[in-house]
This record gives sequence, structure tokens and C-alpha cells, in this order.
Amino acid sequence: QSVLTQPPSVSAAPGQKVTISCSGSSSNIGSGYVSWYQQLPGTAPKLLIFDDNKRPSGIPDRFSGSKSGTSATLDITGLQTGDEADYYCGTWDSSLTARVFGGGTKLTVL
Amino acid sequence: EVQLVESGGALVQPGGSLRLSCAGSGFTFSNYDLNWVRQAPGKGLEWVSYISGRSSTIHYADFVKGRFTISRDNAKNSLYLQMNSLRVDDTAIYYCARGSAPYYWGQGTLVTVSS
Repeated sequence: QSVLTQPPSVSAAPGQKVTISCSGSSSNIGSGYVSWYQQLPGTAPKLLIFDDNKRPSGIPDRFSGSKSGTSATLDITGLQTGDEADYYCGTWDSSLTARVFGGGTKLTVL
Repeated sequence: EVQLVESGGALVQPGGSLRLSCAGSGFTFSNYDLNWVRQAPGKGLEWVSYISGRSSTIHYADFVKGRFTISRDNAKNSLYLQMNSLRVDDTAIYYCARGSAPYYWGQGTLVTVSS
């Protein structure tokens, strides 16, 4: 059971927009920065979003993050078949004194 | 170019020990906090441990406390994870990852605990 809750799967057609949610509590999302990662099959995770809504260099602006209270969201617009991957949210939990991740969301581009 | 390269993964019997290493390059190693994160086969990401740049702050996930020890040698640009009393459910790919986000990840090293 992950500390952060994500939907197991989402799907959308190419060119469409998808939103992945990440729900937590006041001790994690509510008090710390959220990161989002993309993991393509057989590869290491790749940082997409840090500090709630910042993109590392090289990450297209089709990927955006936001946060409100104890929930965060990752939006992906202009979906491409190459976006099919697992997506994870993560943050620091001050009560657990541990970094916590969501269980992951599998994105299917139909 | 920032690189993190893990090594040391192997097949080990339950109750055994293993030491993982992570070699960093392309950045000033001592300036950055580092993490170990693992991923069991077909499962999600699971944070294992954190160490600050000068080793002054260390944190562990509850499931490894007392069994795993994180350390670093900044002179050698290396991060380590000493794993003792290994259990079958420690089987996973172990990644080292730089920074609080974390920003950069290595390619991982596979640890298999099985009799």
C-alpha cells in the first residue's frame, strides 16, 4: 500500500490530453515538493517534473505539473505513442522521515 | 555529462550480504545528496536510503533499518549500500539517484535473493 495514491492506469488517444493524479496528506504533498517520473519499459526512471511544476532541461512543455493542498497532478498534452510508460509521483514525508512514491500509473496511448 | 553507474548486484542466498556501489562522474560529487531506490520485479519504486553530501544526515526506510548501511567516499566519487541479512523480498533492481528530486538516476543493478 503506497503512501501516495495514483490511479493504476489511464488511457487516451494520440493528440489528446491525459491527467494523472497523486493524492497524499499534510505530511507529504501538503508540506513538500512533488516530483514526477516517467519509466519506459526496461529503463530507469526519468525525472519529468520537480518542485511541483518545474521541468528539467530537455523535457517538452507537453508535460506539466501542479499541486493543490494534498494532491498533485501531471498533465500530458498532445499524447504520442512514445509516451506509453509508467508514471510515478514522489515527495518527502516529514512524519515518516522518508521519501515516498505513488504506486505508479500505466499510461496507454490508444 | 552526469553519470551514475551502479555495480555489485548478484544472486545471494537468504541471510547473506552484498555491497552495492555507485560511481558518479560529470559533477562535483560531494555537493550532492544521494539516494538508493529499488524496484522489485513488476512493482513500483521504493525508496531505500538517503545520505547528504557530507554524510552528516542519513535516513533509512523502516524495512531496511538495522540491516542496510548507506555510506559514501567523496574522494572516490562513490556511494555504497551494505546490505546484510538479506531476505527474498529484497530482490529488486537497486538504483542510485542524485539530489532531493531525485534528478539523475543510474541504470540500476539487480539483486536477487534466492536459495
